[in-house]
Amino acid sequence: TQLLEQSPQFLSIQEGENLTVYCNSSSVFSSLQWYRQEPGEGPVLLVTVVTGGEVKKLKRLTFQFGDARKDSSLHITAAQPGDTGLYLCAGARSGSGNTGKLIFGQGTTLQVKP
Amino acid sequence: NAGVTQTPKFRILKIGQSMTLQCTQDMNHNYMYWYRQDPGMGLKLIYYSVGAGITDKGEVPNGYNVSRSTTEDFPLRLELAAPSQTSVYFCASSRTRDRGREKLFFGSGTQLSVL
Repeated sequence: TQLLEQSPQFLSIQEGENLTVYCNSSSVFSSLQWYRQEPGEGPVLLVTVVTGGEVKKLKRLTFQFGDARKDSSLHITAAQPGDTGLYLCAGARSGSGNTGKLIFGQGTTLQVKP
Repeated sequence: NAGVTQTPKFRILKIGQSMTLQCTQDMNHNYMYWYRQDPGMGLKLIYYSVGAGITDKGEVPNGYNVSRSTTEDFPLRLELAAPSQTSVYFCASSRTRDRGREKLFFGSGTQLSVL
């Protein structure tokens, strides 16, 4: 069982379409991160959100942290072929006894066709 | 800017063989990590280190060993390789460790097959 569940697992869309990827959990997180990974490479950090309800924008990408800090979403506007890749969410659970180690979701594979 | 460098890029092992995956970083980061990535499973933490001479287990340490004799290097040792260790291995480093807010810098990975 994944502590962080991402949906959908696979997404294939046409250039110019919008999409949203979700990262959900029943646990509370002190922060959530989103990474993008291209084939044959390691993940690269896109953003870190730390406050419940926080929204961050990175060009055509909008990241939101849920009010209760249990979920996050990534919205891409007017997707481009260069957005193709594996998107991973990662977070550290809050609360006593938790070590602060990052836990990763299983990833969402995005394919944007020209 | 080299960042985090992993070698080899690809390796095929026979069951029972041993090998060391090399990882070095040139950013003077204290924190280093080893993850494995399996299809549909995200990344799982194998071992991590908070500085030279200090290592600790992650989620899936069985079958692996690490050492950290210098700040730069964090090799991962596989003893008696098993098919279950077929995976892509990533080394990462971070300047700080702050409740999941730290920025991880990843290497480009080692694809390992155990046959």
